[in-house]
Amino acid sequence: GQQLNQSPQSMFIQEGEDVSMNCTSSSIFNTWLWYKQDPGEGPVLLIALYKAGELTSNGRLTAQFGITRKDSFLNISASIPSDVGIYFCAGPLQGGSEKLVFGKGTKLTVNP
Amino acid sequence: EPEVTQTPSHQVTQMGQEVILRCVPISNHLYFYWYRQILGQKVEFLVSFYNNEISEKSEIFDDQFSVERPDGSNFTLKIRSTKLEDSAMYFCASSRDRAEETQYFGPGTRLLVL
Repeated sequence: GQQLNQSPQSMFIQEGEDVSMNCTSSSIFNTWLWYKQDPGEGPVLLIALYKAGELTSNGRLTAQFGITRKDSFLNISASIPSDVGIYFCAGPLQGGSEKLVFGKGTKLTVNP
Repeated sequence: EPEVTQTPSHQVTQMGQEVILRCVPISNHLYFYWYRQILGQKVEFLVSFYNNEISEKSEIFDDQFSVERPDGSNFTLKIRSTKLEDSAMYFCASSRDRAEETQYFGPGTRLLVL
């Protein structure tokens, strides 16, 4: 089935640094979603991408939908302590499915 | 900003007992979903619901699970006879329309089966 592979699994950075993480798949996705999850909370939607090549920003966050439709990256600029959490990429299965497939997440730790 | 709400936030139950997890989706949304996340693992799809019926379900969603929209605002997940391995965070999500495909998640119910 369609799987989403996220890397890196975890990151430890200093406050103020920029961060980049990505998500790849062997299958084509028509939508890429990036969520952030804080401990004990639900995933919060950060950015939604709907077109190949699309580059979208949300404050200090920027995400791009890869041209091949098999990858996406998320960048966070000038990280702050509240950026700590797990970042998931997700997308709906092809063929009209409503099911979202999630990656395993990138756990981000920001040292003040 | 409208959001998905879930109750209870935590539920502890004995194995074999029935539990009902409740959700209030965003008011103008038409598609509703349940997902679960076992501790330390990724979020997994359970079921989607539209127009008062299940539109899609995963292999996890077996006969012990059921969903219902008992009125115009609530959406529930019932687990009939809980097992130890049902312990997980259960998330409700909703989306405005299928074409948009952007699902908004609730804060989750942490279920612990003893």
